[in-house]
Amino acid sequence: QQQVKQSPQSLIVQKGGISIINCAYENTAFDYFPWYQQFPGKGPALLIAIRPDVSEKKEGRFTISFNKSAKQFSLHIMDSQPGDSATYFCAARRAGGTSYGKLTFGQGTILTVHP
Amino acid sequence: DSGVTQTPKHLITATGQRVTLRCSPRSGDLSVYWYQQSLDQGLQFLIQYYNGEERAKGNILERFSAQQFPDLHSELNLSSLELGDSALYFCASSAGGQFNQPQHFGDGTRLSIL
Repeated sequence: QQQVKQSPQSLIVQKGGISIINCAYENTAFDYFPWYQQFPGKGPALLIAIRPDVSEKKEGRFTISFNKSAKQFSLHIMDSQPGDSATYFCAARRAGGTSYGKLTFGQGTILTVHP
Repeated sequence: DSGVTQTPKHLITATGQRVTLRCSPRSGDLSVYWYQQSLDQGLQFLIQYYNGEERAKGNILERFSAQQFPDLHSELNLSSLELGDSALYFCASSAGGQFNQPQHFGDGTRLSIL
């Protein structure tokens, strides 16, 4: 069962533009939502994360927007740069229970930023 | 560099064989997680260990097993390998076993089954 749905599968933006990646989840027990960035041949690297008691979190050019009622969250990359070209994964983690630290990932978005 | 070390980087073997993947967590991290990344299934959680004990289990096949040793390194054992087991296997570590600890990933082991 796909518990975290991510869109789009791929995204092409021009340098300086805004990249927007969306995720939707089903399990209301999720309590932590990180975004990971993955370059070819590398492991996912934590980019930014949010808890559902906050509607927005910004770190540099990266912003997470969170809509708890809609069970959706999104990553905005402002002033996108060619170096941002990578695969981005949203994820969710459930607090407590037997899942502990298990991360449930979206299917990933391949971002290409043209110079 | 995440500080998580995985060896080997690449592994090529045949169906029916057994392999062991190794992970050294970041210094001080007590939790180790194993994930499988494939084109069709994406990133899937396999299993978590915390300070030597199994903490959580995902959709890990019975042919797969893992353990965490007293020095906190972990090994993922895959046996009776099938073509469908070809994938990237990632290890991640976090400071503790709680949900609010960020996970840091290694660069993975690429397993190819011929």
